[in-house]
Amino acid sequence: DQQVKQNSPSLSVQEGRISILNCDYTNSMFDYFLWYKKYPAEGPTFLISISSIKDKNEDGRFTVFLNKSAKHLSLHIVPSQPGDSAVYFCAASGGGGSQGNLIFGKGTKLSVKP
Amino acid sequence: AAGVIQSPRHLIKEKRETATLKCYPIPRHDTVYWYQQGPGQDPQFLISFYEKMQSDKGSIPDRFSAQQFSDYHSELNMSSLELGDSALYFCASSPGLAGYNEQFFGPGTRLTVL
Repeated sequence: DQQVKQNSPSLSVQEGRISILNCDYTNSMFDYFLWYKKYPAEGPTFLISISSIKDKNEDGRFTVFLNKSAKHLSLHIVPSQPGDSAVYFCAASGGGGSQGNLIFGKGTKLSVKP
Repeated sequence: AAGVIQSPRHLIKEKRETATLKCYPIPRHDTVYWYQQGPGQDPQFLISFYEKMQSDKGSIPDRFSAQQFSDYHSELNMSSLELGDSALYFCASSPGLAGYNEQFFGPGTRLTVL
């Protein structure tokens, strides 16, 4: 049973516009969430994270929002650039009480068109 | 900045053979995680080590074993290889075991079992 779900396998956005990638989770013990970006033939690259005590974390063009009651998080990329085209994975862990292993969603392939 | 190093990058083996994958974490990172990503799948946690001791175990087959050495590098040993073991194997490292540390991934080893 998939504990971290990314229900959109793909997303296409025009350059300069906002990209919104969504992620849902089922395990209420998760309290640390991360977004990774992955290019073909490379390992996942860490983008941004958020712990459950926050509802927003921002780093440059990337903002992650967490809605604990809905068990939902989203990654906003503003403005989107063609170089952002990649597969984005949402991941979760049990946070401080866990050993840190990550549970991943199946990824969303983002295409940013010039 | 130094990243996680994995070797080899590509490996081709026959069924029932053995394989050894190596991972060199980022300097001063004492925690190593191994993940397996099948075609079109999300990365699945296999096993992790903290300070040379196994810290957690995921969906790792009994045919696989791993260890972390005194220099913190880790090796994943895979025996009696099966066709289904063909996948990308990622190693990730983090500073410490606590669950609020982001994991930094290596480029992966692509294992093909013929």
